[in-house]
Amino acid sequence: SQTIHQWPATLVQPVGSPLSLECTVEGTSNPNLYWYRQAAGRGLQLLFYSVGIGQISSEVPQNLSASRPQDRQFILSSKKLLLSDSGFYLCAWAGQGNQPQHFGDGTRLSIL
Amino acid sequence: SQELEQSPQSLIVQEGKNLTINCTSSKTLYGLYWYKQKYGEGLIFLMMLQKGGEEKSHEKITAKLDEKKQQSSLHITASQPSHAGIYLCGASGNTPLVFGKGTRLSVIA
Repeated sequence: SQTIHQWPATLVQPVGSPLSLECTVEGTSNPNLYWYRQAAGRGLQLLFYSVGIGQISSEVPQNLSASRPQDRQFILSSKKLLLSDSGFYLCAWAGQGNQPQHFGDGTRLSIL
Repeated sequence: SQELEQSPQSLIVQEGKNLTINCTSSKTLYGLYWYKQKYGEGLIFLMMLQKGGEEKSHEKITAKLDEKKQQSSLHITASQPSHAGIYLCGASGNTPLVFGKGTRLSVIA
């Protein structure tokens, strides 16, 4: 069966520091991959999605970036974190077509 | 772009009572997904609806998609504390999923 792993579960970072969140999927090949942010009291905001290795689509301009170095690995990065980057980050995968997305357990990021 | 509006935003029900959550789309729904999220955790996929008039059930949760495919409802029968959480609807179309802002459900004894 397919599983999705996301880490770390929690992260506290100072303003201006770099960021790297990693997400890996097992048990499937060529998944669509997604990064979302969920801020307190707000809905899910799609940040990036990828339909294949090296293919990244950005939904919201910001100081975050994403990369997909391998088929089942999706990385969210930042060179310099802002206070506004605080939130709950979720990675998800889906099969091709109108398949539902399946989510990781999330990373709670706090910026000090 | 497509937008999903959920109502109510929050709901407090007594254990054993029935409840309904609604999700209304600004455009025709080609696929409607329901998820549940416990605080601080990821989203758990509940059900997917694609056809107008479609209805699916899982245990005590029933989801329906109207004939015009612009509104969906999630109905919980005889609510239990385990049903508490945030319920989100998501819609697919030509772009990746768009989500509603969620309905926070609390079940009290």
